[in-house]
Amino acid sequence: GDSVTQMEGPVTLSEEAFLTINCTYTATGYPSLFWYVQYPGEGLQLLLKATKADDKGSNKGFEATYRKETTSFHLEKGSVQVSDSAVYFCALTAGDSSYKLIFGSGTRLLVRP
Amino acid sequence: DSGVTQTPKHLITATGQRVTLRCSPRSGDLSVYWYQQSLDQGLQFLIQYYNGEERAKGNILERFSAQQFPDLHSELNLSSLELGDSALYFCASSVESAGGLNEQFFGPGTRLTVL
Repeated sequence: GDSVTQMEGPVTLSEEAFLTINCTYTATGYPSLFWYVQYPGEGLQLLLKATKADDKGSNKGFEATYRKETTSFHLEKGSVQVSDSAVYFCALTAGDSSYKLIFGSGTRLLVRP
Repeated sequence: DSGVTQTPKHLITATGQRVTLRCSPRSGDLSVYWYQQSLDQGLQFLIQYYNGEERAKGNILERFSAQQFPDLHSELNLSSLELGDSALYFCASSVESAGGLNEQFFGPGTRLTVL
């Protein structure tokens, strides 16, 4: 079945460092891909999305490109801030008619001043 | 604020009890999804309703059930609760249009603690 694999955390960085969180997927058909962020004590917020191969999603300095050839959707940011500390989830829409989301296990990011 | 509301925010109960979690979707969204977030299972899809009808089922236990009412709000009923049911339960909604992205907007969640 469809699945998402994310790099294990936590990822600890200093402020202004470059961030990459790896995400690969297995899916039938052509899923849409998402990154969601969960700040401490809060719900999930959509960070960015991409619907087809080579699409680049971007928001708040974060970017991810839908790579069909490598089945990947890695999250990147050029310069992280302390306020980016959160858990990041990669997800895809299932290949059936439900559009349910299948999530990766999440990657905790800690940014130190 | 996503526009999706969930009540209650926190729920503490005992094993064997039954609880009801409530979700109000964004205005105009016909589709409601329920997800469970636990430490050992991560974020898992439970069930989806679309305009009052069950659309898809995921890893939902038989002790759990849900429904969507004519005003489109949804309730998730959890019965014969066990310690392992302690988790954060999220509701999400989407407008779901043919060929569209069907972006899901998440509520703040209900944290259930079973003692």
